Amino acid sequence: NAGVTQTPKFQVLKTGQSMTLQCAQDMNHEYMSWYRQDPGMGLRLIHYSVGAGITDQGEVPNGYNVSRSTTEDFPLRLLSAAPSQTSVYFCASSYIQGPGYGYTFGSGTRLTVV
Amino acid sequence: QKEVEQDPGPLSVPEGAIVSLNCTYSNSAFQYFMWYRQYSRKGPELLMYTYSSGNKEDGRFTAQVDKSSKYISLFIRDSQPSDSATYLCAMSGTSGGSYIPTFGRGTSLIVHP
Repeated sequence: NAGVTQTPKFQVLKTGQSMTLQCAQDMNHEYMSWYRQDPGMGLRLIHYSVGAGITDQGEVPNGYNVSRSTTEDFPLRLLSAAPSQTSVYFCASSYIQGPGYGYTFGSGTRLTVV
Repeated sequence: QKEVEQDPGPLSVPEGAIVSLNCTYSNSAFQYFMWYRQYSRKGPELLMYTYSSGNKEDGRFTAQVDKSSKYISLFIRDSQPSDSATYLCAMSGTSGGSYIPTFGRGTSLIVHP
């Protein structure tokens, strides 16, 4: 089925470890983004990309890196995991970043940092 | 004060009730308004989209925007247990050509049989 695929679905990390959360979409969407969702905080934008080779920071970028080498993939890297990064991470994509285009979200990655 | 305020609930209603979900906002530049539905342990999915003020209807769902009061609503008629989910409002403007939305924290809705 077409959509946004996130892997892994669950992950437990130790403090200081690094890892990459994968996001892939097969809808030829130009715009992709990463959010984290925490209780009482709602969705907060981490990084986004308006096309291959172009990325920018969102509201909470510290501790995360992204790259966009292809239209389909937008991985999120945690450089040195901290307990404060325990959260549910969602990848979202849209045809373009513009009005009238809602986001398609993945099913999320639940990350626990101990 | 957050740009978008949304009561987290939970809001518990009996099946068949009319549900009203609301968000207020402070940024007068917002022109595009969306509602997302998020089932437990799933990603949000776009439910409704409206531009500027007015109403939009889609089946049992009606989205309403009052820009003069900076207030948006989502009404659900004949609510069903399958409507139980968290509903997030989102809104965006055209600041610098960016349409990145600001999300509310979401309202948890429980429709009991």
